[in-house]
Amino acid sequence: GQNIDQPTEMTATEGAIVQINCTYQTSGFNGLFWYQQHAGEAPTFLSYNVLDGLEEKGRFSSFLSRSKGYSYLLLKELQMKDSASYLCAVTTFTPSGGSYIPTFGRGTSLIVHP
Amino acid sequence: GAGVSQSPRYKVAKRGQDVALRCDPISGHVSLFWYQQALGQGPEFLTYFQNEAQLDKSGLPSDRFFAERPEGSVSTLKIQRTQQEDSAVYLCASVGQTSSDYGYTFGSGTRLTVV
Repeated sequence: GQNIDQPTEMTATEGAIVQINCTYQTSGFNGLFWYQQHAGEAPTFLSYNVLDGLEEKGRFSSFLSRSKGYSYLLLKELQMKDSASYLCAVTTFTPSGGSYIPTFGRGTSLIVHP
Repeated sequence: GAGVSQSPRYKVAKRGQDVALRCDPISGHVSLFWYQQALGQGPEFLTYFQNEAQLDKSGLPSDRFFAERPEGSVSTLKIQRTQQEDSAVYLCASVGQTSSDYGYTFGSGTRLTVV
């Protein structure tokens, strides 16, 4: 099975930087997704890391260490609209082949205040 | 279409009633996933299709849950004899096969409330 752990809730100030961590234990690891989900809306894709290292995309960056089973999402220059749930999801190879099945953590609720 | 479309957006069912939830994936997307998301939780995997073949249904919580995708495009998730614990948001996601298309695109979900 898979075990994915991320903090339940975080708060930060507008304009600041916040790092959301995700640790995982799984077999057949392929890659790790980060999704953003506003209340009542669909999760939207932020990043997908397969190789170790940092990938930067505008204000958002994602880091992966496969050997440590660890990832983080870094959000810079926080805006009020960044208040949302951030979901970490691990993809693994499936015995049936074909696509990978993402397994999600419970999500981290980020509250950005003025 | 431009995105993944799910209907209905909201559904209220009386306990014991059967419901059918529809998912229209992005045109051409081969793989389709169903997830169940309880309030304050992450999405939980239910089942997965590649074209019309249901390759994994290990996440379906009971034999009251049934999913199909007969022509490899639209999919329906059916829940028979609904119970209160079935109340959740049901999300559908599809993904393409190109190497640059890593993102699984989710629909807005169907919020099911069983009363």
